[in-house]
Amino acid sequence: KAGVTQTPRYLIKTRGQQVTLSCSPISGHRSVSWYQQTPGQGLQFLFEYFSETQRNKGNFPGRFSGRQFSNSRSEMNVSTLELGDSALYLCASSLVEGRTGANVLTFGAGSRLTVL
Amino acid sequence: DQQVKQNSPSLSVQEGRISILNCDYTNSMFDYFLWYKKYPAEGPTFLISISSIKDKNEDGRFTVFLNKSAKHLSLHIVPSQPGDSAVYFCAASGDNYGQNFVFGPGTRLSVLP
Repeated sequence: KAGVTQTPRYLIKTRGQQVTLSCSPISGHRSVSWYQQTPGQGLQFLFEYFSETQRNKGNFPGRFSGRQFSNSRSEMNVSTLELGDSALYLCASSLVEGRTGANVLTFGAGSRLTVL
Repeated sequence: DQQVKQNSPSLSVQEGRISILNCDYTNSMFDYFLWYKKYPAEGPTFLISISSIKDKNEDGRFTVFLNKSAKHLSLHIVPSQPGDSAVYFCAASGDNYGQNFVFGPGTRLSVLP
Protein backbone atom coordinates (compact mmCIF):
# COMPACT_ATOMS: atom_id res chain seq x y z
CA LYS A 1 0.00 0.00 0.00
CA ALA A 2 1.53 3.32 -1.03
CA GLY A 3 2.15 5.81 1.76
CA VAL A 4 1.44 9.50 1.86
CA THR A 5 3.15 11.21 -1.07
CA GLN A 6 4.17 14.84 -1.01
CA THR A 7 5.51 16.89 -3.90
CA PRO A 8 7.78 18.64 -4.38
CA ARG A 9 10.24 17.41 -1.75
CA TYR A 10 12.39 20.54 -1.89
CA LEU A 11 11.83 23.99 -3.28
CA ILE A 12 13.32 27.45 -3.06
CA LYS A 13 11.29 30.61 -3.44
CA THR A 14 11.87 34.31 -2.90
CA ARG A 15 9.94 36.68 -0.69
CA GLY A 16 6.63 37.77 -2.13
CA GLN A 17 6.19 34.70 -4.31
CA GLN A 18 3.55 32.08 -3.76
CA VAL A 19 3.88 28.32 -3.51
CA THR A 20 1.61 25.32 -3.91
CA LEU A 21 2.36 22.00 -2.24
CA SER A 22 0.64 18.75 -3.07
CA CYS A 23 -0.28 15.72 -0.99
CA SER A 24 -1.68 12.35 -2.03
CA PRO A 25 -3.05 10.46 0.97
CA ILE A 26 -3.07 6.74 1.53
CA SER A 27 -5.75 5.13 -0.61
CA GLY A 28 -9.02 5.10 1.31
CA HIS A 29 -8.02 7.81 3.75
CA ARG A 30 -10.43 10.72 3.54
CA SER A 31 -8.91 13.04 6.13
CA VAL A 32 -5.83 15.07 5.24
CA SER A 33 -4.03 17.36 7.68
CA TRP A 34 -1.18 19.79 7.14
CA TYR A 35 1.52 20.72 9.65
CA GLN A 36 4.41 23.14 9.60
CA GLN A 37 7.66 22.10 11.30
CA THR A 38 10.28 24.66 12.22
CA PRO A 39 13.34 24.18 14.48
CA GLY A 40 12.40 24.39 18.14
CA GLN A 41 8.67 24.74 17.42
CA GLY A 42 7.72 21.18 16.78
CA LEU A 43 4.81 20.61 14.43
CA GLN A 44 2.24 23.37 14.18
CA PHE A 45 -1.22 22.40 12.92
CA LEU A 46 -2.29 24.28 9.80
CA PHE A 47 -5.61 22.74 8.76
CA GLU A 48 -7.49 19.52 8.22
CA TYR A 49 -9.74 18.53 5.35
CA PHE A 50 -12.34 15.81 5.18
CA SER A 51 -14.53 15.12 2.16
CA GLU A 52 -13.37 18.33 0.46
CA THR A 53 -14.34 20.47 3.48
CA GLN A 54 -12.02 22.22 5.88
CA ARG A 55 -12.97 20.80 9.24
CA ASN A 56 -10.30 22.28 11.51
CA LYS A 57 -7.98 25.23 11.19
CA GLY A 58 -4.90 26.20 13.15
CA ASN A 59 -3.69 29.64 14.10
CA PHE A 60 -2.05 30.73 10.85
CA PRO A 61 -2.64 33.87 8.78
CA GLY A 62 -4.91 33.86 5.76
CA ARG A 63 -1.89 33.63 3.46
CA PHE A 64 -2.00 29.93 4.22
CA SER A 65 -4.83 28.13 2.48
CA GLY A 66 -5.66 24.67 1.30
CA ARG A 67 -8.16 22.55 -0.49
CA GLN A 68 -9.07 18.93 -0.98
CA PHE A 69 -10.25 17.30 -4.15
CA SER A 70 -12.87 14.61 -4.63
CA ASN A 71 -10.15 11.94 -4.80
CA SER A 72 -8.93 13.11 -1.34
CA ARG A 73 -5.72 14.60 -2.75
CA SER A 74 -4.95 17.92 -1.12
CA GLU A 75 -2.99 21.04 -1.88
CA MET A 76 -1.86 23.86 0.33
CA ASN A 77 -0.93 27.30 -0.88
CA VAL A 78 1.11 30.02 0.74
CA SER A 79 0.88 33.45 -0.84
CA THR A 80 3.17 36.45 -0.41
CA LEU A 81 5.94 34.33 1.06
CA GLU A 82 7.93 35.63 4.02
CA LEU A 83 11.35 34.52 5.26
CA GLY A 84 9.67 33.00 8.31
CA ASP A 85 7.69 30.63 6.11
CA SER A 86 10.82 28.58 5.55
CA ALA A 87 9.96 25.24 7.06
CA LEU A 88 9.19 21.60 6.49
CA TYR A 89 5.54 21.22 5.52
CA LEU A 90 4.12 17.85 6.45
CA CYS A 91 0.94 16.28 5.21
CA ALA A 92 -0.76 13.47 7.10
CA SER A 93 -3.73 11.30 6.26
CA SER A 94 -6.03 9.37 8.51
CA LEU A 95 -8.71 6.73 8.10
CA VAL A 96 -10.69 7.42 11.23
CA GLU A 97 -13.68 9.68 10.67
CA GLY A 98 -14.49 10.43 14.29
CA ARG A 99 -13.46 9.74 17.84
CA THR A 100 -14.11 6.02 17.78
CA GLY A 101 -10.81 4.97 19.20
CA ALA A 102 -7.23 4.90 18.05
CA ASN A 103 -6.70 7.73 15.62
CA VAL A 104 -3.33 7.72 13.95
CA LEU A 105 -1.93 10.19 11.48
CA THR A 106 0.31 8.76 8.79
CA PHE A 107 2.76 11.38 7.61
CA GLY A 108 4.45 11.96 4.30
CA ALA A 109 8.15 12.82 4.07
CA GLY A 110 7.36 16.51 3.78
CA SER A 111 8.09 19.39 1.44
CA ARG A 112 11.02 21.53 2.56
CA LEU A 113 10.46 25.14 1.57
CA THR A 114 13.25 27.69 1.68
CA VAL A 115 12.33 31.34 1.25
CA LEU A 116 15.19 33.66 0.28
CA ASP B 1 2.02 29.53 24.91
CA GLN B 2 3.05 25.93 24.33
CA GLN B 3 0.28 23.57 25.34
CA VAL B 4 2.53 20.55 24.94
CA LYS B 5 6.05 20.77 26.31
CA GLN B 6 9.07 18.53 26.01
CA ASN B 7 11.58 20.23 28.24
CA SER B 8 14.56 18.10 27.27
CA PRO B 9 15.75 19.02 23.77
CA SER B 10 18.13 16.07 23.78
CA LEU B 11 18.89 12.86 25.64
CA SER B 12 21.79 10.41 25.39
CA VAL B 13 21.49 6.84 26.60
CA GLN B 14 23.74 3.82 26.48
CA GLU B 15 22.61 0.89 24.35
CA GLY B 16 20.65 -1.65 26.39
CA ARG B 17 19.63 0.86 29.06
CA ILE B 18 16.25 2.51 29.53
CA SER B 19 15.34 5.72 27.69
CA ILE B 20 12.74 7.92 29.36
CA LEU B 21 11.26 10.77 27.36
CA ASN B 22 8.98 13.20 29.14
CA CYS B 23 6.09 15.36 28.02
CA ASP B 24 3.93 17.84 29.92
CA TYR B 25 0.69 19.44 28.81
CA THR B 26 -1.39 22.31 30.09
CA ASN B 27 -4.81 21.78 28.50
CA SER B 28 -7.01 19.55 30.65
CA MET B 29 -9.31 18.99 27.64
CA PHE B 30 -6.68 16.82 25.96
CA ASP B 31 -7.85 13.24 26.12
CA TYR B 32 -5.74 11.39 23.59
CA PHE B 33 -1.97 11.28 23.37
CA LEU B 34 0.51 9.86 20.88
CA TRP B 35 4.24 9.50 20.46
CA TYR B 36 5.89 9.83 17.08
CA LYS B 37 9.47 9.15 16.01
CA LYS B 38 11.16 11.08 13.25
CA TYR B 39 14.33 10.28 11.34
CA PRO B 40 16.04 12.94 9.19
CA ALA B 41 14.48 13.41 5.74
CA GLU B 42 11.47 11.29 6.70
CA GLY B 43 8.03 12.12 8.05
CA PRO B 44 7.14 11.28 11.65
CA THR B 45 6.06 7.69 12.21
CA PHE B 46 3.57 6.62 14.84
CA LEU B 47 4.92 4.74 17.85
CA ILE B 48 2.28 4.36 20.52
CA SER B 49 -0.83 6.07 21.85
CA ILE B 50 -2.83 6.31 25.05
CA SER B 51 -6.27 7.64 25.86
CA SER B 52 -7.10 9.47 29.05
CA ILE B 53 -9.07 6.54 30.42
CA LYS B 54 -5.83 4.59 30.82
CA ASP B 55 -2.62 5.26 32.70
CA LYS B 56 -0.37 2.83 30.85
CA ASN B 57 -0.07 1.33 27.40
CA GLU B 58 2.61 -1.09 26.33
CA ASP B 59 3.78 -2.23 22.91
CA GLY B 60 6.92 -4.32 22.82
CA ARG B 61 9.87 -2.25 24.00
CA PHE B 62 7.74 0.88 24.23
CA THR B 63 5.56 1.85 27.19
CA VAL B 64 3.70 5.10 27.64
CA PHE B 65 2.59 6.26 31.09
CA LEU B 66 -0.03 8.93 31.66
CA ASN B 67 -0.46 10.88 34.89
CA LYS B 68 -3.57 12.98 34.36
CA SER B 69 -3.41 14.78 37.69
CA ALA B 70 0.12 15.96 36.91
CA LYS B 71 -0.68 16.46 33.20
CA HIS B 72 2.41 14.45 32.42
CA LEU B 73 3.20 11.54 30.19
CA SER B 74 6.38 9.65 29.55
CA LEU B 75 7.68 7.19 26.99
CA HIS B 76 9.92 4.39 28.19
CA ILE B 77 12.07 2.44 25.74
CA VAL B 78 13.59 -0.73 27.13
CA PRO B 79 16.12 -1.86 26.08
CA SER B 80 17.31 1.08 23.99
CA GLN B 81 18.89 0.28 20.64
CA PRO B 82 21.05 2.44 18.32
CA GLY B 83 18.21 2.37 15.77
CA ASP B 84 16.05 4.22 18.28
CA SER B 85 18.18 7.33 17.76
CA ALA B 86 15.73 9.87 16.38
CA VAL B 87 13.63 12.87 17.36
CA TYR B 88 10.59 11.93 19.44
CA PHE B 89 7.46 14.06 19.42
CA CYS B 90 4.67 13.95 21.94
CA ALA B 91 1.22 14.93 20.58
CA ALA B 92 -2.13 15.57 22.22
CA SER B 93 -5.67 15.96 20.97
CA GLY B 94 -8.96 17.02 22.46
CA ASP B 95 -11.13 18.03 19.54
CA ASN B 96 -14.19 16.15 18.44
CA TYR B 97 -12.66 14.57 15.38
CA GLY B 98 -9.27 13.79 16.85
CA GLN B 99 -7.49 15.31 13.90
CA ASN B 100 -6.17 18.51 15.42
CA PHE B 101 -3.09 17.37 17.26
CA VAL B 102 -0.87 19.69 19.27
CA PHE B 103 2.73 18.57 19.08
CA GLY B 104 5.59 19.22 21.44
CA PRO B 105 8.92 20.59 20.13
CA GLY B 106 10.54 17.16 20.22
CA THR B 107 13.40 15.45 22.06
CA ARG B 108 16.41 14.17 20.18
CA LEU B 109 17.39 10.74 21.52
CA SER B 110 20.87 9.39 20.90
CA VAL B 111 21.49 5.77 21.81
CA LEU B 112 25.20 5.16 22.09
CA PRO B 113 26.60 1.71 21.21
